[in-house]
Amino acid sequence: DAKTTQPNSMESNEEEPVHLPCNHSTISGTDYIHWYRQLPSQGPEYVIHGLTSNVNNRMASLAIAEDRKSSTLILHRATLRDAAVYYCILRGPSTMNYGGATNKLIFGTGTLLAVQP
Amino acid sequence: DSGVTQTPKHLITATGQRVTLRCSPRSGDLSVYWYQQSLDQGLQFLIQYYNGEERAKGNILERFSAQQFPDLHSELNLSSLELGDSALYFCASTARDGGYTFGSGTRLTVV
Repeated sequence: DAKTTQPNSMESNEEEPVHLPCNHSTISGTDYIHWYRQLPSQGPEYVIHGLTSNVNNRMASLAIAEDRKSSTLILHRATLRDAAVYYCILRGPSTMNYGGATNKLIFGTGTLLAVQP
Repeated sequence: DSGVTQTPKHLITATGQRVTLRCSPRSGDLSVYWYQQSLDQGLQFLIQYYNGEERAKGNILERFSAQQFPDLHSELNLSSLELGDSALYFCASTARDGGYTFGSGTRLTVV
């Protein structure tokens, strides 16, 4: 599984944009870039994912570098509820093996985002 | 409510005992993934089932086993429990759009 590198921690102020970086220099052409976040004592929560083009959803935006060796998760206006550990994960394509899919997520240590009021 | 249901939410048991954790995936999702999260290890992938069959294995101990039933719910069996097995156990399921949905977890405390 290809590896990702994220800063251990970041700080932001409430209502300001947050840019969470992720390096993945060994990404393969078929790896999807997934972002999840985990609030204290809760299960990981899907945020966004993409392959080559930038992606937007109601939670965040994902900016993918042209060479795909890095990406940035953008929270447009941080709130106190966005304080969490953010994980950047590379996931291979669904490989159909004997009729099933083998595409597990491998979590790293993530970035702990603190949001100050 | 994520749609993935895990029971029980909390479990306290003694060393040497055996417990069963249960997970019901979202309606229509065929895959179930089990993860263990302890303070010093982070989120570790244990095992994946797809439509009743084992598909991938991670760092799962021999004392641990899992299965997925015809109704697609899954059970993770942990036996000969040790203090170090105390952790949060999460399951997740996947949809065709590629996103993974996690349950709220079972907190296991071994005393």
